[in-house]
Amino acid sequence: DVKVTQSSRYLVKRTGEKVFLECVQDMDHENMFWYRQDPGLGLRLIYFSYDVKMKEKGDIPEGYSVSREKKERFSLILESASTNQTSMYLCASSETGILYGYTFGSGTRLTVV
Amino acid sequence: KQEVTQIPAALSVPEGENLVLNCSFTDSAIYNLQWFRQDPGKGLTSLLLIQSSQREQTSGRLNASLDKSSGRSTLYIAASQPGDSATYLCAVSSGGGADGLTFGKGTHLIIQP
Repeated sequence: DVKVTQSSRYLVKRTGEKVFLECVQDMDHENMFWYRQDPGLGLRLIYFSYDVKMKEKGDIPEGYSVSREKKERFSLILESASTNQTSMYLCASSETGILYGYTFGSGTRLTVV
Repeated sequence: KQEVTQIPAALSVPEGENLVLNCSFTDSAIYNLQWFRQDPGKGLTSLLLIQSSQREQTSGRLNASLDKSSGRSTLYIAASQPGDSATYLCAVSSGGGADGLTFGKGTHLIIQP
């Protein structure tokens, strides 16, 4: 069964820490995405990547960066965590084309204290 | 900019009823539309993918329709069960899978035993 795996289900970090959220997919998909999900705001796209070493800003990139050194791995980096980055983070991957949907990971619940 | 709206925001029905969840989108130039299910605190599970050239897709008790010209999709759930209780999310792809999905805020569904 195809999978998108997020390394942590729950994380608690302190304000100012550098935080890494890791995502790995085993489907050889070209495209990978990071979303955050907040009550009342829904899912919002942070960053995405359509190829190794390529990255594009989504709707809310401020305070985040990403890294994609290998096709299967896409990392989200919070350079200096703040309390307003407490959220559910969801990683997804897809192929390009009309035939293909998105596959999501199980999410990481990040709390910044 | 694409906007996706889901109505109703919440729905509670007795077990065994057939029900319809609605999704509308503002820009009809989509590649495909995907329905997801999300259980509390979990990631997204894909239910159905409808390509822009298709009118409907079926999986078990689920049937999704698409009217691209009017910007509407419906998810029909037959013979609802308590296990169907979850949040259902509608998402559209406008970039062929390469640049992210636009999500509605979901319908929170409760099936009463």
